[in-house]
Amino acid sequence: DQQVKQNSPSLSVQEGRISILNCDYTNSMFDYFLWYKKYPAEGPTFLISISSIKDKNEDGRFTVFLNKSAKHLSLHIVPSQPGDSAVYFCAASAQIIQGAQKLVFGQGTRLTINP
Amino acid sequence: EPEVTQTPSHQVTQMGQEVILRCVPISNHLYFYWYRQILGQKVEFLVSFYNNEISEKSEIFDDQFSVERPDGSNFTLKIRSTKLEDSAMYFCASSERNTGGTQYFGPGTRLLVL
Repeated sequence: DQQVKQNSPSLSVQEGRISILNCDYTNSMFDYFLWYKKYPAEGPTFLISISSIKDKNEDGRFTVFLNKSAKHLSLHIVPSQPGDSAVYFCAASAQIIQGAQKLVFGQGTRLTINP
Repeated sequence: EPEVTQTPSHQVTQMGQEVILRCVPISNHLYFYWYRQILGQKVEFLVSFYNNEISEKSEIFDDQFSVERPDGSNFTLKIRSTKLEDSAMYFCASSERNTGGTQYFGPGTRLLVL
């Protein structure tokens, strides 16, 4: 049951150019979306998030776009830097009445920034 | 900057043994989670915890698993009788609030069951 999908297992981008990572979801109850960056043998590091009431959120070089009608979100990194090379995970959560909201993760996209 | 910590970083155990993975969430956070990642696969939800009880658990979280918050700072995951397929990275996470709350992850414990 792949509720969150990242269809590109890998992406290679030249330093200084824009990196665009994509994510699709199927559960219309998802109302909060996050991007995490992960290095091998480390925990996921939070990058940026977006609520379903917005269609764009920007933080420095990182911008997340949400298209609810298409159930699609994307992460733009510009300009891309060598330190951005990592695996990027898209995650989503659905509001529940009480208790803790779990995250559902995509499979991840390995981004490689070439000098 | 506050961070989630986990111990041990690595754990090797024999099949059938009990293991306890420990986590110290960020101090003002109220919601706690365990996830795991089998090598080469995606991060999977195991269990969430709030107000001293389990909020939700996945199919993976069977009777061999349990969680506990024994004091005001620690959050533990116990696997009573480990299986080979329990080998994975286990991540603890915490968040300050529920709705729209960003989950912050610890560095993980690599568990290897032989």
